[in-house]
Amino acid sequence: DIVMSQSPDSLAVSLGERATINCKSSQSILNSSNNKNNLAWYQQKPGQPPKLLIYWASTRESGVPDRFSGSGSGTDFTLTISSLQAEDVAVYYCHQYYTTPQTFGQGTEVEIK
Amino acid sequence: QVQLQESGPGLVKPSQTLSLTCTVSGGPISSGRYYWSWIRQPAGKGLEWIGQIYISGGTNYNPSLKSRVSMSVETSKNQFSLKLTSVTAADTAVYYCVGEEIGFDPWGQGTLVTVSS
Repeated sequence: DIVMSQSPDSLAVSLGERATINCKSSQSILNSSNNKNNLAWYQQKPGQPPKLLIYWASTRESGVPDRFSGSGSGTDFTLTISSLQAEDVAVYYCHQYYTTPQTFGQGTEVEIK
Repeated sequence: QVQLQESGPGLVKPSQTLSLTCTVSGGPISSGRYYWSWIRQPAGKGLEWIGQIYISGGTNYNPSLKSRVSMSVETSKNQFSLKLTSVTAADTAVYYCVGEEIGFDPWGQGTLVTVSS
């Protein structure tokens, strides 16, 4: 199985400041057939299912605010929230869909400082 | 817009079979647009992919559960289903049905299944 490791486990950021979450896969998830990384990011608020934010490591889902951005390639990826808003308090997960079993990071909890 | 809704017993006894159904609305399950997946989340913990089924009936299961899992699709009812046999307390979780195109979206609201006698 591909192990997805996120860091940090939690972080507290002031409103309007940048939040950065890292995700590392135990092997490359770069799809050679289309030169895209099979990596997605999700946001989960309490009592709700996860919400897809980003796929192909850097493509924002329709309707997702542009303060959310994804980057990285191969085994190292980053989700950045450029200016944290109160409604961004949530747990964020990375997910690889390169191979089965599909796997998720353990989650990063983002809160307001 | 495709929407998903899980249904099934909220309480299952140990050693019995967990059975859940996901009803798809807003589009035909047979469109071929999505893989149909199940994902679970124990309380306060992370996400575990259980497996997926395509409209052709082809399946992929998580090896950690493969011996106990089966999935099926019923196109006439626009539903797909999950069965997990020989459950234990470790199977207690919120179970989500999910469509997968590129990434997992859309999601059902989730249903809590508790394994207890």
